[in-house]
Amino acid sequence: DAKTTQPNSMESNEEEPVHLPCNHSTISGTDYIHWYRQLPSQGPEYVIHGLTSNVNNRMASLAIAEDRKSSTLILHRATLRDAAVYYCILLTDSWGKFQFGAGTQVVVTP
Amino acid sequence: NAGVTQTPKFQVLKTGQSMTLQCAQDMNHNSMYWYRQDPGMGLRLIYYSASEGTTDKGEVPNGYNVSRLNKREFSLRLESAAPSQTSVYFCASSVGGARFEKLFFGSGTQLSVL
Repeated sequence: DAKTTQPNSMESNEEEPVHLPCNHSTISGTDYIHWYRQLPSQGPEYVIHGLTSNVNNRMASLAIAEDRKSSTLILHRATLRDAAVYYCILLTDSWGKFQFGAGTQVVVTP
Repeated sequence: NAGVTQTPKFQVLKTGQSMTLQCAQDMNHNSMYWYRQDPGMGLRLIYYSASEGTTDKGEVPNGYNVSRLNKREFSLRLESAAPSQTSVYFCASSVGGARFEKLFFGSGTQLSVL
């Protein structure tokens, strides 16, 4: 099964960009890369996803390496409300069957 | 916008007791899921329902049963609770279950089994 590797934690100052790396060297050609975040005492929240091309939405940007073995979630201007655990996951199959790792704890300091 | 609603938010059970966790979504989604999250770990899929009238086992189904009552509601039942089932339970839904779809999660049920 394809797995992901993320740093345990990252710290950022408020209003600065945050770049969250994710390695997925065993990704297959049809695996989608998804990012979710989980605030304390809440359920995971969808952030962004992609297959091969870089993606942008109102929350973040996703940069996918050309060989797809790594990706980076970019929060353009971190706010205190962005403090959460961010999960990089690969959807290798349908029906919610994904590998959910330990994630990266993002700390935002004023 | 309610999204995915789970009840109850907290529950304490004694070993051997039974209970049902309720989940409802108002987004007209076809697919629904139950996950558990243990401390410091990611989510693990218990059961899923690809569409109304169907249910299938996920990664960790032992000790649980599910019912897809209608398109909106998907319940999770613990027939005889065990301490190993102490966890946070999340219900989620998606339009159709495809790999490119986003999942919408509820806020969770914190369950303690003593």
